[in-house]
Amino acid sequence: AQKITQTQPGMFVQEKEAVTLDCTYDTSDQSYGLFWYKQPSSGEMIFLIYQGSYDEQNATEGRYSLNFQKARKSANLVISASQLGDSAMYFCAMREPLGIGNTPLVFGKGTRLSVIA
Amino acid sequence: GAGVSQSPRYKVAKRGQDVALRCDPISGHVSLFWYQQALGQGPEFLTYFQNEAQLDKSGLPSDRFFAERPEGSVSTLKIQRTQQEDSAVYLCASSTSEELFFGSGTQLSVL
Repeated sequence: AQKITQTQPGMFVQEKEAVTLDCTYDTSDQSYGLFWYKQPSSGEMIFLIYQGSYDEQNATEGRYSLNFQKARKSANLVISASQLGDSAMYFCAMREPLGIGNTPLVFGKGTRLSVIA
Repeated sequence: GAGVSQSPRYKVAKRGQDVALRCDPISGHVSLFWYQQALGQGPEFLTYFQNEAQLDKSGLPSDRFFAERPEGSVSTLKIQRTQQEDSAVYLCASSTSEELFFGSGTQLSVL
């Protein structure tokens, strides 16, 4: 079964608008971490935001926020005030369990975001 | 440098050729991961090192794939007798905590 599901292969958003990229996950662990990465055409994976399963509040990092709904097992990424430079592939990923540094990240298939001027 | 460095950036190999991909992690990072990313897909885990010890190689697709990190810093991913299905971007990442820092990858094309 898929651990990370990203149902939107591609998304378009107008510049300066907000956009939500969906991510659902599957785990039986109580302790896990959720990550979002951006991958521009250059290929590098750029860390955006992290949410731990025990974190009470939704994570925010500048224009990025993570809408964490634990009961629904969803961790959607919200990008506010989109910019042309936000056009890229976005990957949701999970690490389980937390607390030890040796468990690999499991990635979804990604969503390609295109920002339109 | 400050980030994870991978070389070569691009590699073209003839089918059957052996290749070696290098990863230079961030200094002091204990954990090192290799991922394979096929075109249009998310990265897939290959193998993990903690210092020089290879603790998990469950993601290596066949015995043609071999990775090492003999001194606990630089790592090499070797693919023997390359096949066309090995064509992908190979990403290396290092970490000390929860966040993984990725290199720009090596794009391998097997003809």
